[in-house]
Amino acid sequence: RKEVEQDPGPFNVPEGATVAFNCTYSNSASQSFFWYRQDCRKEPKLLMSVYSSGNEDGRFTAQLNRASQYISLLIRDSKLSDSATYLCVVNDGNQFYFGTGTSLTVIP
Amino acid sequence: DTAVSQTPKYLVTQMGNDKSIKCEQNLGHDTMYWYKQDSKKFLKIMFSYNNKELIINETVPNRFSPKSPDKAHLNLHINSLELGDSAVYFCASSQFGHQPQHFGDGTRLSIL
Repeated sequence: RKEVEQDPGPFNVPEGATVAFNCTYSNSASQSFFWYRQDCRKEPKLLMSVYSSGNEDGRFTAQLNRASQYISLLIRDSKLSDSATYLCVVNDGNQFYFGTGTSLTVIP
Repeated sequence: DTAVSQTPKYLVTQMGNDKSIKCEQNLGHDTMYWYKQDSKKFLKIMFSYNNKELIINETVPNRFSPKSPDKAHLNLHINSLELGDSAVYFCASSQFGHQPQHFGDGTRLSIL
């Protein structure tokens, strides 16, 4: 079983739409959680950390459900520039585990 | 200032050659990593060093040898390059524990 699992997509949504990605993790002792964004042929960049109480950064909202061992990312009012691959990342205090990424394309 | 820098950005070489990729971070982090991302886009950990000590060594051929002269540098040397080594190699750094990683912009290795 993979440490972190994501729906690979692709998600194709119109501009202005709201889209949500989910990610599940297998290790209940995982301690920190992140969403990264990776553009084609570029490095992964930190989008946001995910806190237990949930957190928001502009159009982006991240939530953590420890009981069900999943994290989510909600993007409101999608922009063309949001097109990228979104990586779910989990840390157990020793190592980072990456999901395979969810591909998002925002269509004009 | 670039936080995590890798050189070279592109590396095209022939099978059987030996090559090195360098990585430096100026974030004051104590942990550095090498990842491989192949054509299927999956990011796979190769090595991790904490304060110059190897802490993660995934199943990687021993043709790959990391070297950390100090905690701000983690270089990757590859011997006898093979076609399957073609990939993008990312260096990253973090403060050990729960802090996020910061990535370099990658080295695109192509084996002819």
